[in-house]
Amino acid sequence: LAKTTQPISMDSYEGQEVNITCSHNNIATNDYITWYQQFPSQGPRFIIQGYKTKVTNEVASLFIPADRKSSTLSLPRVSLSDTAVYYCLVGEGNTGFQKLVFGTGTRLLVSP
Amino acid sequence: NAGVTQTPKFRILKIGQSMTLQCAQDMNHNYMYWYRQDPGMGLKLIYYSVGAGITDKGEVPNGYNVSRSTTEDFPLRLELAAPSQTSVYFCASSYGTGVTGELFFGEGSRLTVL
Repeated sequence: LAKTTQPISMDSYEGQEVNITCSHNNIATNDYITWYQQFPSQGPRFIIQGYKTKVTNEVASLFIPADRKSSTLSLPRVSLSDTAVYYCLVGEGNTGFQKLVFGTGTRLLVSP
Repeated sequence: NAGVTQTPKFRILKIGQSMTLQCAQDMNHNYMYWYRQDPGMGLKLIYYSVGAGITDKGEVPNGYNVSRSTTEDFPLRLELAAPSQTSVYFCASSYGTGVTGELFFGEGSRLTVL
């Protein structure tokens, strides 16, 4: 059963780079790793997804080591508006039948 | 683009009452999910569906039922409401899994059981 572990909370300041690591020791061969951002009173929003090595888009980078047992979401130069809860998500189940279970998430607080 | 639409947005129920939370998506997605989120907590998967006529239990299915008669709709039924079901309910959909598995969420339905 794939399960994720993340730090409960992190603090940062505007302009800093933030790295949030997620542990997923039981990740299956066919599972992708996806990160979501959630603001209060809203549904989660997709940030980035990857399978291995490094993925980068306009808002974040995702680093996945060769063993895929962990992943790191990197947010460059955070701003106050990046204060949110960040969830790491991996698929769960047999090939083509994915039960997507969220972990506890990391609450990021960005201060001026 | 409507995306994922949930109704109602807010509802207060008395203990023992029943209700259905509606969820509809217009993206022709195969996969649909129901999550609940208690205050200050993460999301818990209630039920999910990989296509019309196919549903399966998630982490916390007790007290809920679902059906998937069409690709677009995935209603969640609460039969005998209990205070423990006070939560925000999110419906989500995705085209598939793996690289196509981005979840699109609705705005949520806030349910209070008194």
